[in-house]
Amino acid sequence: GAVVSQHPSWVICKSGTSVKIECRSLDFQATTMFWYRQFPKQSLMLMATSNEGSKATYEQGVEKDKFLINHASLTLSTLTVTSAHPEDSSFYICSAMTGGGWRELFFGEGSRLTVL
Amino acid sequence: EDQVTQSPEALRLQEGESSSLNCSYTVSGLRGLFWYRQDPGKGPEFLFTLYSAGEEKEKERLKATLTKKESFLHITAPKPEDSATYLCAVQPGGGSQGNLIFGKGTKLSVKP
Repeated sequence: GAVVSQHPSWVICKSGTSVKIECRSLDFQATTMFWYRQFPKQSLMLMATSNEGSKATYEQGVEKDKFLINHASLTLSTLTVTSAHPEDSSFYICSAMTGGGWRELFFGEGSRLTVL
Repeated sequence: EDQVTQSPEALRLQEGESSSLNCSYTVSGLRGLFWYRQDPGKGPEFLFTLYSAGEEKEKERLKATLTKKESFLHITAPKPEDSATYLCAVQPGGGSQGNLIFGKGTKLSVKP
């Protein structure tokens, strides 16, 4: 299947700092990428849809100023957690659609964020 | 409200002991139902997409089936390496593409 890479795979930061997570499609171009959040033993919850060259679309209840998304190229989307707090600690996962559209949705390896 | 419920939450099997995982869904129009495997600390790994009731797909020891209200993931003669959390997700007919609604998953443990 298609390869989606995330970096870093884990990060620990102090409260109040900002953290950037990258999501790359390695062997295909992705005009649309998605960012999910997963708490322990919980479902993946869609946070936002990242569209190349335009503003991201955020799901209800997700603070767009808190979670900044940039999709500057067809192979890279970034999620920046600004002024992180302990409650932002979570597993963040991105996914990307291949040319097959919604039928082919592949996920990255995930990024574990721990805010102290 | 669109919803996905998976059962059981956890399932322990002996190697070779076949079983099924259930995914019940309520959705306004179904574009597709997805099955993923997720290992601890990893992102979901794509297994199957099912589009319409009656459809079946197989991959090695796994077979996924779909009805109008639920999907089953049958595991035949499982091995320890099949141990993982299996996630079911649906994509509603409306809304943005890629907006999958996930269940909480079934954690499968296969003992040798």
